[in-house]
Amino acid sequence: EIVMTQSPATLSVSPGERATLSCRASQSVGSNLAWYQQKPGQAPRLLMYGASTRATGIPARFSGSGSGTEFTLTISSLQSEDFAVYYCQQYNNWPPWTFGQGTKVEF
Amino acid sequence: EVQLLESGGGLVQPGGSLRLSCEGSGFAFRTYAMAWVRQAPGEGLEWVSVISGSGTTTDYADSVKGRFTVSRDHSKNTLFLQMNSLRAEDTAVYYCAKGVRPVIAQNLFDSWGQGTLVTVSS
Repeated sequence: EIVMTQSPATLSVSPGERATLSCRASQSVGSNLAWYQQKPGQAPRLLMYGASTRATGIPARFSGSGSGTEFTLTISSLQSEDFAVYYCQQYNNWPPWTFGQGTKVEF
Repeated sequence: EVQLLESGGGLVQPGGSLRLSCEGSGFAFRTYAMAWVRQAPGEGLEWVSVISGSGTTTDYADSVKGRFTVSRDHSKNTLFLQMNSLRAEDTAVYYCAKGVRPVIAQNLFDSWGQGTLVTVSS
């Protein structure tokens, strides 16, 4: 099973600032890496897939990079609606599909 | 617009059973693999089960293998999860999620329902 590790657990930022979230896989997943955003009481929403492709309707301030075992999600200028928990997920080696433990972006 | 609506959650005693449903609309249901993902209170996401678009291929997390069964009814555009021998650690919000291709291999889940809460407690 591939273990996904996210850092930091919590990221404290102010609106307008840049946020950088990291995700590491225990073995290579190629570019088969997705990012999800989850707000309290809501379902996860797909942000990014293929490590760097934005899902439909996702603003350009979100960008993803990386391949193999190291990945980054960057939010260039945080908006109030971006405060949430972000999960990375690998879909290269299955089963199981595995998620990171999440990074909470807070004000 | 893709919509997924889960139902069937509730309070059940340890050892009991529950059947979750997820009705899909706004897309060609039989064309896509579907999955169940759960989230225990205050915790992260855990993949539970997946079924191919045809329904012929399924897979399960080790934590539920032998106790849970996934199925789908194309005439009703509905995904099911039969949960037997429930344990306290199965307590979670259960989400259904739509894949992006019919096979389960390297599938990605692009749309999620709002979830249904399952509580296993005496």
